[in-house]
Amino acid sequence: DTEVTQTPKHLVMGMTNKKSLKCEQHMGHRAMYWYKQKAKKPPELMFVYSYEKLSINESVPSRFSPECPNSSLLNLHLHALQPEDSALYLCASSQEPGQGASYTEAFFGQGTRLTVV
Amino acid sequence: AQSVTQPDIHITVSEGASLELRCNYSYGATPYLFWYVQSPGQGLQLLLKYFSGDTLVQGIKGFEAEFKRSQSSFNLRKPSVHWSDAAEYFCAVGKLTGGGNKLTFGTGTQLKVEL
Repeated sequence: DTEVTQTPKHLVMGMTNKKSLKCEQHMGHRAMYWYKQKAKKPPELMFVYSYEKLSINESVPSRFSPECPNSSLLNLHLHALQPEDSALYLCASSQEPGQGASYTEAFFGQGTRLTVV
Repeated sequence: AQSVTQPDIHITVSEGASLELRCNYSYGATPYLFWYVQSPGQGLQLLLKYFSGDTLVQGIKGFEAEFKRSQSSFNLRKPSVHWSDAAEYFCAVGKLTGGGNKLTFGTGTQLKVEL
């Protein structure tokens, strides 16, 4: 199973709403990622979790709050977003070097298309 | 800092024709290189990767890429394009950070296939 599952596929939220994006993988990967992709642009890294600990935050605004409850799940909590936050949010996972390989590829989910109104 | 350049924003080829998508990278050490493909509104699918060893790597869907260190390039090729290959193609370079791997993507090349 090389699948990363993201829910929901589409989300429309108001600027005062609180919502969460969910990501799940069962490949035993210990690194999980959130990327943001605006239309016609490449994905940009937001957060990295390694062994359930936040290891990279690419200066993301605090209205985005990541959470890694266990090694298979990754959440992105959203609050007080702006219309410019509308984008495709991609989750990914990969093995960590301590899992046997010096470097491995990242597997991506299908993304959540977020629209902020 | 690592960076990736994909000089071609759009490429149009006829079905059955050969394809080459260009990618140049900038990275201080041995690069970990990838090609991903993305259909509209979808996630990213890995086509192939280069970590070390043989500089010509084979991927899925009949794609291959050649790593040329002297030219800092990792161009993607396919001998005969199918209409279903129309998509956005991203070249990426990866970096070990000690806590996950950081991918830096190029700006992408939009491939259109004419029937």
